[in-house]
Amino acid sequence: EDQVTQSPEALRLQEGESSSLNCSYTVSGLRGLFWYRQDPGKGPEFLFTLYSAGEEKEKERLKATLTKKESFLHITAPKPEDSATYLCAVQAMYGNNRLAFGKGNQVVVIP
Amino acid sequence: NAGVTQTPKFQVLKTGQSMTLQCAQDMNHNSMYWYRQDPGMGLRLIYYSASEGTTDKGEVPNGYNVSRLNKREFSLRLESAAPSQTSVYFCASTKQGNTEAFFGQGTRLTVV
Repeated sequence: EDQVTQSPEALRLQEGESSSLNCSYTVSGLRGLFWYRQDPGKGPEFLFTLYSAGEEKEKERLKATLTKKESFLHITAPKPEDSATYLCAVQAMYGNNRLAFGKGNQVVVIP
Repeated sequence: NAGVTQTPKFQVLKTGQSMTLQCAQDMNHNSMYWYRQDPGMGLRLIYYSASEGTTDKGEVPNGYNVSRLNKREFSLRLESAAPSQTSVYFCASTKQGNTEAFFGQGTRLTVV
């Protein structure tokens, strides 16, 4: 069974204080790893897809990296508007294309 | 460009009542999904439709039924609502199986 574990569950950061979120996964052949951002009362919003170990993607202050066992979402010099819950999901190579989600990293950036 | 639209946004049901959650996407996507999100549990797949005319069970299908009405619309039905079905429900769609999913805004359902 595909499993995704995200840590830490919650994180409070001062504005400008860089940090990283971890997503550890076990899957029988990785097709893709996805990062989403979710604001309160809203649906998840797509950020990145990573397909193979060593791959990196960047968007503004966010950078996602991937190894064979985990992914990191690095937040550089965060701003209050980066406050959100970040969700990680994996998709297995074989099967029905379903996504297995982690429980999320809740990030609060304090001005 | 509306993306994925869910109706209603909020609903309160009494135990035993039935209702249908509606979902429509205007991105010409092939696959559609229904998830539920509960505190401390993450998003869990209820049912999905890989393409028009097909539906399959996900992780937590008990108590639900779905209909892929056409390529745009995918509905979720609760035949006899139970308090355990109190949750936030999200519909999502993808162009192909291995591409990113686009989510609706969610339906917050309370069963009393």
